[in-house]
Amino acid sequence: DAGVIQSPRHEVTEMGQEVTLRCKPISGHDYLFWYRQTMMRGLELLIYFNNNVPIDDSGMPEDRFSAKMPNASFSTLKIQPSEPRDSAVYFCASSFYSLSGLGYNEQFFGPGTRLTVL
Amino acid sequence: KNEVEQSPQNLTAQEGEFITINCSYSVGISALHWLQQHPGGGIVSLFMLSSGKKKHGRLIATINIQEKHSSLHITASHPRDSAVYICAVSQGGSEKLVFGKGTKLTVNP
Repeated sequence: DAGVIQSPRHEVTEMGQEVTLRCKPISGHDYLFWYRQTMMRGLELLIYFNNNVPIDDSGMPEDRFSAKMPNASFSTLKIQPSEPRDSAVYFCASSFYSLSGLGYNEQFFGPGTRLTVL
Repeated sequence: KNEVEQSPQNLTAQEGEFITINCSYSVGISALHWLQQHPGGGIVSLFMLSSGKKKHGRLIATINIQEKHSSLHITASHPRDSAVYICAVSQGGSEKLVFGKGTKLTVNP
């Protein structure tokens, strides 16, 4: 398997522009997570989905952020309008639930999208 | 106060040394994760555990549920172990991870 795929890998945009980040989870995984990493705050969960349904979006900073998962193999994180304080690395991760062991399993991370908002 | 505290923040070692990174948490958890982030930025899951000890090659992770504490040990450290090690916890019934700030490890040859 190719692992979790994210695009673009780098995005530079100007304040006020719309930004769309994309993620393809590992096939067969039923959980998908969006994280943001900054120097100041470290890694933070933004939102996660189970079977394409948003379960916890309490980490989404404000209404400018939205995430969708229209099917099991694709998710988007959109920022509109973007602001300089949104500059960060955004990671997507996926995992699966199994009835054996702990139930929940390790998360597999994508390579991240480095976003710079000027 | 952060729910997940790691120590030390930075650690420099000589090749071959035994390394210990600590993680303390203040909430009830269902599992604790150790992640590794290399200088290139990629994040890899090293361990997920809820009790006892796990070992993978030169890496060992332990957890003490009563004391709300976990340690990550690296035996015979090598420069390629240089990375940021991040502790994260998930709470009962949820996949949501809460992260520590990370420990930056540098292993010199």
